Amino acid sequence: GAGVSQSPRYKVAKRGQDVALRCDPISGHVSLFWYQQALGQGPEFLTYFQNEAQLDKSGLPSDRFFAERPEGSVSTLKIQRTQQEDSAVYLCASSLVKAGSSSYNEQFFGPGTRLTVL
Amino acid sequence: GQNIDQPTEMTATEGAIVQINCTYQTSGFNGLFWYQQHAGEAPTFLSYNVLDGLEEKGRFSSFLSRSKGYSYLLLKELQMKDSASYLCAVRDLYGGATNKLIFGTGTLLAVQP
Repeated sequence: GAGVSQSPRYKVAKRGQDVALRCDPISGHVSLFWYQQALGQGPEFLTYFQNEAQLDKSGLPSDRFFAERPEGSVSTLKIQRTQQEDSAVYLCASSLVKAGSSSYNEQFFGPGTRLTVL
Repeated sequence: GQNIDQPTEMTATEGAIVQINCTYQTSGFNGLFWYQQHAGEAPTFLSYNVLDGLEEKGRFSSFLSRSKGYSYLLLKELQMKDSASYLCAVRDLYGGATNKLIFGTGTLLAVQP
């Protein structure tokens, strides 16, 4: 079956450009997470959606970062006026049920988008 | 604060056994996950512990001690394809609506012939 997909897989942007990263979660998954993974580091939480509702955006590093999931399926992470420190792999993960309903609630990760800001 | 520690790198020999340790300090605890991540690929789920003790799953086992804030991942009969980064992640009980995962930096395991 289809897993989580992300596009583009690689993105090179000039400093100051806006970028949009797309995530297609597994069909029917309620929860969707975005993580940022710097080189040699573990993923760091950015934001969480339960269906179309963004319930937690505490990890977004600045107001240049914006995420949406308008119909409760596909999600887009947008970064405005990119900076060099935004260079990282952006991972999307989905899980079947809403957060808190099950302690197990495995998250399935996509392959990520590697963003390089020059 | 939130802190998860694991060794940065480890090396082991094909066919051997390796143990990757993880210690954590978080404001709450609602389960510990181990993920495997090959270079340039998505993290994939290996194991989950929420109660103390050992969970065995084929060549992989994971142990948890909540009182010590400690877990380990045990890999047996190592194969070359096991060369990857192994991520320890704790689900934060008090992570708002999210119960978000807090990851360690990962342990890069190199399996040598």
